Formats: sequence, structure tokens, C-alpha cells
Amino acid sequence: QKEVEQDPGPLSVPEGAIVSLNCTYSNSAFQYFMWYRQYSRKGPELLMYTYSSGNKEDGRFTAQVDKSSKYISLFIRDSQPSDSATYLCAMNTIQGAQKLVFGQGTRLTINP
Amino acid sequence: NAGVTQTPKFRILKIGQSMTLQCAQDMNHNYMYWYRQDPGMGLKLIYYSVGAGITDKGEVPNGYNVSRSTTEDFPLRLELAAPSQTSVYFCASSSSRVGPSTDTQYFGPGTRLTVL
Repeated sequence: QKEVEQDPGPLSVPEGAIVSLNCTYSNSAFQYFMWYRQYSRKGPELLMYTYSSGNKEDGRFTAQVDKSSKYISLFIRDSQPSDSATYLCAMNTIQGAQKLVFGQGTRLTINP
Repeated sequence: NAGVTQTPKFRILKIGQSMTLQCAQDMNHNYMYWYRQDPGMGLKLIYYSVGAGITDKGEVPNGYNVSRSTTEDFPLRLELAAPSQTSVYFCASSSSRVGPSTDTQYFGPGTRLTVL
């Protein structure tokens, strides 16, 4: 069983839709959770960072962590074509432990 | 700031050839990483370094070597290239200050390598 599971998609939705991206994990020691966004033929860039359980909002993006279910989500409201990218979840047990564990990434396309 | 730069952008190697992937960062980050990304497989850590002269293996180090003689540079060496090393290689760096900044990794644009 992989430590972090993420549905690779692809996921295609119309512009303006609410998008939900998810990851499950098996290691209960994970405490720090990240979402990276990767545009085609580019390197990933950090989008959201959360610690432990709860929600964090940044503009149209909301990151949600449910440690009891070992499940994290990224919601995108009012999705735009510019949100089309691959979204990777990443996790860490100790802050700054250097060894982030990444999910496989979900490829998302927003259709105008 | 250029951030993290990688050269070359693309390369085709024959089986058994060797090459060095170059990586440099100008953010004065102590931590640097090499990943490979295969289609649908996410990022796998090959090697990482917490400072000049200090390197350690990641999840998939076999067939690769690294060195870190300066803070800025972290080259990845492929010896005896094999088709299984066909992948996109990303270099990344992060700050060593404890906090969210350490988990914020800044990635280069990647090197697409094909081994035939």
C-alpha cells in the first residue's frame, strides 16, 4: 500500500465549477500537509500549506485536513481555465524533515 | 533572482552513457533535492543535501550519484544510463529555517531525459 494515494484523474470540469481534489494516506504520523500545483512542462510550486486538522482558505482555494479519516482535500471555487494543471498533495511527519511524501498528482482541466 | 535553474532542458542518451544534470539556486538555501517524475507516479526523491559537503539517499538512489561542494550547486550524475532512467528530473531547494519555509520547496523547470 502506498503511503499517499491520489486519484490521477484526469478530471475535466466546466469553468465556474467547484473542484474537489483528494488524497488519502496511511501514516498517522503525518502532521504537515501541502498542495503543490504543476503547470504543463514546469516544476511544481507550493499552493497551500496546513498543519494538523482543520481548514485553511486562500482566495478561491480551501485546503481541508481530516486526520481522523487520514484524508485531505483541496477545493477550488469558481474554477478558471488558468487553474488547469496537475495538483500534487505532499505530507511530512516533522516540519522541515526534508523528506516530503508526494501523491501521484491529479491532472485537472477547466473547460471554458 | 533566477531561483532554481537546471541544465540541460532535454537530453537523449544511449544505454551505458553517462551524464551530469546541473542544478543551481541563488536563494542561499541550505537544503537541496533531486526528484524524478514518471507519468502518473508523482515525485520520487533520489538524493538530498542539507548543506555543502552533506548528502543523503532518498527513496530511489540506485544508478545516481551526487556531490555538493558549494551552497549554490547540486549536480546529479548518471552512470551507465539505463532505459529505466528515462524520466523528468527536478531539482528543488528550501530554506533551513525551521517552519513552513522548510517545507516550501522551490523547483526548477526540469530536465527531460530519454535513454534509448
